[in-house]
Amino acid sequence: EVQLVESGGGLVQPGGSLRLSCVVSGFTFSNYEMNWVRQAPGKGLEWVSYISNSGNSIHYADSVKGRFTISRDNAKNSLYLQMNSLTAEDTAVYYCARVLGQQWLYFDYWGQGTLVTVSS
Amino acid sequence: EIVLTQSPATLSLSPGERATLSCRASQSVSSYLGWYQQKPGQAPRLLIYDASKRATGIPARFSGSGSGTDLTLTISSLEPEDFAVYYCQQRNSWPLTFGQGTRLQIK
Repeated sequence: EVQLVESGGGLVQPGGSLRLSCVVSGFTFSNYEMNWVRQAPGKGLEWVSYISNSGNSIHYADSVKGRFTISRDNAKNSLYLQMNSLTAEDTAVYYCARVLGQQWLYFDYWGQGTLVTVSS
Repeated sequence: EIVLTQSPATLSLSPGERATLSCRASQSVSSYLGWYQQKPGQAPRLLIYDASKRATGIPARFSGSGSGTDLTLTISSLEPEDFAVYYCQQRNSWPLTFGQGTRLQIK
């Protein structure tokens, strides 16, 4: 069974940092491209970042570029999102999501999400 | 950035009726568009990819059509479990973008 489990969310002050993790099981992690997608409370979905299966190709949404860093450790079946210089606009549930297949940039498996709240 | 505009924002229908949801792109996405369903407190579920391909385990009552800038998700006969929020998403170009969602509610 495919599983993605996020952790690392919580309450952080504006300007602070947080590192999210996503541990996966049930599939060969190193074969799949991965993403982070977020959803502000009561709002729609926003794609945040993408990383290729090898980690050699990375993309970010403009709203997080220069502040967030995506990475992965294929040996640990883990995906990460380092978030710096956080603002209230970053408050959201953050999902890790697996890509359907190579170059098919749709999300077929999602974690349960981890809530990040940026507030003083 | 490709902007996806979904309409209507809210759709009120009864079980058994046909639902037609629209996703209009600010520039062509070819057929590189997917549809997701999200229920309260749950992660989204992929329904359709590349405009018309059903994802694994998705019932045949869900179908997608269109290409270019006008794409459609159709639910042929609504079941009680279909009432949810639906999002479109394009993979034609970076950044990946989602529409703002259509809420399908029971009339």
